[in-house]
Amino acid sequence: EDQVTQSPEALRLQEGESSSLNCSYTVSGLRGLFWYRQDPGKGPEFLFTLYSAGEEKEKERLKATLTKKESFLHITAPKPEDSATYLCAVGTSGTYKYIFGTGTRLKVLA
Amino acid sequence: ETGVTQSPTHLIKTRGQQVTLRCSSQSGHNTVSWYQQALGQGPQFIFQYYREEENGRGNFPPRFSGLQFPNYSSELNVNALELDDSALYLCASRPRENTEAFFGQGTRLTVV
Repeated sequence: EDQVTQSPEALRLQEGESSSLNCSYTVSGLRGLFWYRQDPGKGPEFLFTLYSAGEEKEKERLKATLTKKESFLHITAPKPEDSATYLCAVGTSGTYKYIFGTGTRLKVLA
Repeated sequence: ETGVTQSPTHLIKTRGQQVTLRCSSQSGHNTVSWYQQALGQGPQFIFQYYREEENGRGNFPPRFSGLQFPNYSSELNVNALELDDSALYLCASRPRENTEAFFGQGTRLTVV
């Protein structure tokens, strides 16, 4: 069964304290891995798409990487405004749906 | 370029009633998907429409139904509402398969 697992469930960081969020997946034919940021009560905001192992994408303090089994979202020197839930989703061959993980709730303290 | 917009933003319904949620897709996007997100969970796929036809469905009962119109806007209809239907309903559009989806702000449905 296709599955996406995110860890940790919650993470508290001091401002400037870098860390990584993990997204591990088991799918039959990866057709894209997607990272989203979601603020409370809002819809997910698109961050990155990764298609193949070894691929990396960067945007400001965020960097996403992909291997054959997992993806990491690295946050460098985070700021309080980076506090949000970060969601990982995968697209699989033969279906049109995204399979989402349950997210990592990130809190960055000033 | 306008993004994905959903209406209404909040809704309270009574168990057993019916509800219609609406979504306008992003310009140029002909594929619209609907997701249900319970509190503290990731979004769960309900169904997808491509050029006015449903072409994918998740594990949701038939009382969840939808439509897509020629301008690619979409509706989600839920009949015989249950308390467990209380959730954030998200609409997402994308220009083609295997590309990133762009989400609306969601409709918060509360069933009492």
